[in-house]
Amino acid sequence: DSGVTQTPKHLITATGQRVTLRCSPRSGDLSVYWYQQSLDQGLQFLIQYYNGEERAKGNILERFSAQQFPDLHSELNLSSLELGDSALYFCASSVVGGRAGETQYFGPGTRLLVL
Amino acid sequence: AQSVTQLDSQVPVFEEAPVELRCNYSSSVSVYLFWYVQYPNQGLQLLLKYLSGSTLVKGINGFEAEFNKSQTSFHLRKPSVHISDTAEYFCAVSELGSGTYKYIFGTGTRLKVLA
Repeated sequence: DSGVTQTPKHLITATGQRVTLRCSPRSGDLSVYWYQQSLDQGLQFLIQYYNGEERAKGNILERFSAQQFPDLHSELNLSSLELGDSALYFCASSVVGGRAGETQYFGPGTRLLVL
Repeated sequence: AQSVTQLDSQVPVFEEAPVELRCNYSSSVSVYLFWYVQYPNQGLQLLLKYLSGSTLVKGINGFEAEFNKSQTSFHLRKPSVHISDTAEYFCAVSELGSGTYKYIFGTGTRLKVLA
């Protein structure tokens, strides 16, 4: 158990809908990262937050957004969902974030299925 | 930008046999390298990482990896595998971009240990 929690574990929704994925980092970790894992794209970095502020952006679509709250939990919002958004979404956390060689701790993931 | 190549998408091996999972990276600067393991229906767990110093890095569950700067490789090895090692293994490099370090993951190698 990494100490990172994600809810829900599974999510089934329809095209055009909007969903929110939630992540709680390990106790004491200030940075949260979001990743998308799909069969065709592999594991892709989406976005990183540090202590409530956006720190880095990866291959995140404009239909997706995220935020980190004062209690350090984070939410990833996916809107206007398409079939291709079906994937496993991971959250990871680290102590500070953005340091060379820093370990990221991954949650169990949320499996999203868009029908 | 840095990139990570895992040439083998699948590696079948018999129980108690040795295994090597290959990882090559491209970089023109100092690198920080990681191996993560993903068991079925779970998140990623850190196996080991190379930051500096000794090129032979020992990790959890009997795994080790060797950093080879001249060949830009970071292959993962285990002298004797168990059925429980069946999982997907990801190599990652920590890349500096826009003032922060981000992970770039390889496409993964699925290790299947056969009885």
